[in-house]
Amino acid sequence: ETGVTQSPTHLIKTRGQQVTLRCSSQSGHNTVSWYQQALGQGPQFIFQYYREEENGRGNFPPRFSGLQFPNYSSELNVNALELDDSALYLCASSQTGFKETQYFGPGTRLLVL
Amino acid sequence: GENVEQHPSTLSVQEGDSAVIKCTYSDSASNYFPWYKQELGKRPQLIIDIRSNVGEKKDQRIAVTLNKTAKHFSLHITETQPEDSAVYFCAAPYYQAAGNKLTFGGGTRVLVKP
Repeated sequence: ETGVTQSPTHLIKTRGQQVTLRCSSQSGHNTVSWYQQALGQGPQFIFQYYREEENGRGNFPPRFSGLQFPNYSSELNVNALELDDSALYLCASSQTGFKETQYFGPGTRLLVL
Repeated sequence: GENVEQHPSTLSVQEGDSAVIKCTYSDSASNYFPWYKQELGKRPQLIIDIRSNVGEKKDQRIAVTLNKTAKHFSLHITETQPEDSAVYFCAAPYYQAAGNKLTFGGGTRVLVKP
């Protein structure tokens, strides 16, 4: 298994609520990427953080936001939750951007009712 | 725009046979191509990757080939075993002025029948 951890493992929210998901990167990794994986689909890139700054963003609305901390851990925040936000949220850490291998955490399964 | 197409979507093989999964990408600047294996309820795990300066890479029963001219790369699994049953994803990076992103294919569900 990788050294990437995520919390919580499961979460149930209702429409309109806000959620914060957390990710701790593997030791020595300074880059964290977040993905949304709907059932039966491939991971969809949300955004990437490198040295505490956003370094690329996918086609997700602004209510998806993130942070990276000095220890390289990261948070994903989603405001005004919608039913379609129900998915597995994965983070992946790497040494530098996409030219280095990305290692995934176990994910947080979010259910929006 | 960026796009990674993966085929087939499902693949059923007899134990001991070979499995081949193909992906095409659209950004000619892409230079790193990983393959991930995801078992039910688990995280995607990197199984092999290739960089654009080589055409083929092998790791035991797994190999990946890359054709940069045609913009496609393939995963080959030889002597398949039941534990190879999983969903496999290819991916390619896209480099944009606003930042980079990694795009995944839609996945291939592989079933190895004993």
